Amino acid sequence: GAGVSQSPSNKVTEKGKDVELRCDPISGHTALYWYRQSLGQGLEFLIYFQGNSAPDKSGLPSDRFSAERTGGSVSTLTIQRTQQEDSAVYLCASSRRGQPQHFGDGTRLSIL
Amino acid sequence: DQQVKQNSPSLSVQEGRISILNCDYTNSMFDYFLWYKKYPAEGPTFLISISSIKDKNEDGRFTVFLNKSAKHLSLHIVPSQPGDSAVYFCAASYGSSGSARQLTFGSGTQLTVLP
Repeated sequence: GAGVSQSPSNKVTEKGKDVELRCDPISGHTALYWYRQSLGQGLEFLIYFQGNSAPDKSGLPSDRFSAERTGGSVSTLTIQRTQQEDSAVYLCASSRRGQPQHFGDGTRLSIL
Repeated sequence: DQQVKQNSPSLSVQEGRISILNCDYTNSMFDYFLWYKKYPAEGPTFLISISSIKDKNEDGRFTVFLNKSAKHLSLHIVPSQPGDSAVYFCAASYGSSGSARQLTFGSGTQLTVLP
């Protein structure tokens, strides 16, 4: 597709379950980023990938969060043992070297 | 500790007039600044950017001004149109040119352009 694609668009799950969020970046974009936006807040950086490697994992809020990227393309963000405070919109972005980031429409995660 | 601040949560402007959205930052290492526009249930859309070596960048109806000494930037939209109604986010980054850069975002300003 032409833009960044994220799935699912909405996810409702029970507290304590694991969830997996997927991001398909724009073809040819080497950098991929994950952010989250909690209600009424700005976007909070989580992690970025340059190719398949993640040089900076400092934004991940806890060890329940992990992310991987394979083949320099698709990325998954996994949240284990979800908590209610994990409820947010999770946004993925990708970019070419030195270019602005382009965002997907996000996954709205709700933890009951 | 907010490094990028948008102190006005909302702004209303009449159609055809100028909209001015403001943003302040505290980290003097930031060297690249961007504005994004966001509609409900959609991801942010890139609008315009400016490097710290410049003090102004213009693209059609959108102009961004950077005042490094005041650590302040602003986005001017003129003339404002009803379709400009959205949340506007200011973002900043630093790092070597061409490398992947994490963005630090402000909390956003809801712009409403009244017909």
